[in-house]
Amino acid sequence: AQTVTQSQPEMSVQEAETVTLSCTYDTSENNYYLFWYKQPPSRQMILVIRQEAYKQQNATENRFSVNFQKAAKSFSLKISDSQLGDTAMYFCAFMKQKYGSQGNLIFGKGTKLSVKP
Amino acid sequence: DTEVTQTPKHLVMGMTNKKSLKCEQHMGHRAMYWYKQKAKKPPELMFVYSYEKLSINESVPSRFSPECPNSSLLNLHLHALQPEDSALYLCASSQAGGAWNQPQHFGDGTRLSIL
Repeated sequence: AQTVTQSQPEMSVQEAETVTLSCTYDTSENNYYLFWYKQPPSRQMILVIRQEAYKQQNATENRFSVNFQKAAKSFSLKISDSQLGDTAMYFCAFMKQKYGSQGNLIFGKGTKLSVKP
Repeated sequence: DTEVTQTPKHLVMGMTNKKSLKCEQHMGHRAMYWYKQKAKKPPELMFVYSYEKLSINESVPSRFSPECPNSSLLNLHLHALQPEDSALYLCASSQAGGAWNQPQHFGDGTRLSIL
């Protein structure tokens, strides 16, 4: 069974600075996908960034980038130039690739990020 | 603005009531999902519909009854719920078929409170 671990329950960062959220996972699969979702107090789960395991290049999306270390089973999220609107719960999620089957997301417990002015 | 719309946003009901949660998407997605999220916890998968057919039921009690009347709508019928069922219920959708790696798009959720 796959598991996703986020070891930082809470973090804070000053506005405009950089912060890194950690995520590790355990799987015996070789092909899978990793995601970071954010959930602000407004409740909606918003996709931040995703990474395909077969791609060596780290995914980037504007101020958000990941450090994907497949051998170490690590998938950290870096937020640059933090903004007040980045304040949210961040969930790391795993989904194995299995054609003809459903995309079952397995979430970590989340990291609550607070951006301070 | 969310592309997955859930109604109602809040629901308070007694343990003997019957109510329904609704979810709608117009992105052409053929996979739809129900998740349950307790406070300060990650979402937990309840049901998955693929092409309007139930494909995954994560051992959810029968007091929760899902329904997918068409490709755009997903309902969750509630009956005889327990206080521990109070939670945020999230609906999500994604492309289906051979591209199961497609990300899921979530709605804002329905905050359910059982008295």
